[in-house]
Amino acid sequence: QVQLQESGPGLVKPAQTLSLTCTVSGGSISSGSYYWSWIRQPAGKGLEWIGRIHTSGSTNYNPSLKSRVTISIDTSKNQFSLNLTSVTAADTAVYYCARGVGYPLYWGQGTLVTVSS
Amino acid sequence: DIVMTQSPDSLAVSLGERATINCKSSQTVLYSSNNKNYLAWYQQKPGQPPKLLIYWASTRESGVPDRFSGSGSGTDFTLTISSLQAEDVAVYYCQQYYDTPITFGQGTRLEIK
Repeated sequence: QVQLQESGPGLVKPAQTLSLTCTVSGGSISSGSYYWSWIRQPAGKGLEWIGRIHTSGSTNYNPSLKSRVTISIDTSKNQFSLNLTSVTAADTAVYYCARGVGYPLYWGQGTLVTVSS
Repeated sequence: DIVMTQSPDSLAVSLGERATINCKSSQTVLYSSNNKNYLAWYQQKPGQPPKLLIYWASTRESGVPDRFSGSGSGTDFTLTISSLQAEDVAVYYCQQYYDTPITFGQGTRLEIK
């Protein structure tokens, strides 16, 4: 069974870069044909898709965030990462990583990131 | 972007009764070449990540109780819980994966009456 675990700073200052890592266990991140995604959820609100990277390395980003987002894969560490630049309070949310074939099936437990000085 | 609109925003149903949640997409999510609807349903309980219930609009994920069913095609979809159980209290989301950006409905909160 594939498991995903998000990690990274829980507090980021405004205008700085939010960096999160998702560690995958129970399978190789480079095998199969999957999308590795980042999705976020502000407290008490709905789900927002940030973007994804395919096993092939191709990426898709939400246009609302595209200028600030980079998703990358590190196959040697079986991890994929999210960088979100120039953060504001509006980026405060629980961030989830997930794996799927279009629809995310396996999700991490989520990590709360607060943007505050 | 494909906008997903769920109705109602909240719903209270008695135990053992049927619960119905609707989801409408702003454009079709039916891919004509394979006749598949790129529509999924998720259940989210407090403090937990979403759990996949249904994909391809009507295919139940392994391990999901058969009281959960999905139907619809094109732009109009329904999630039905045939006999509500206490553990079904949650927020339910529809999601389209027909095109990027992937988009979710705003969520429907399901409670016990």
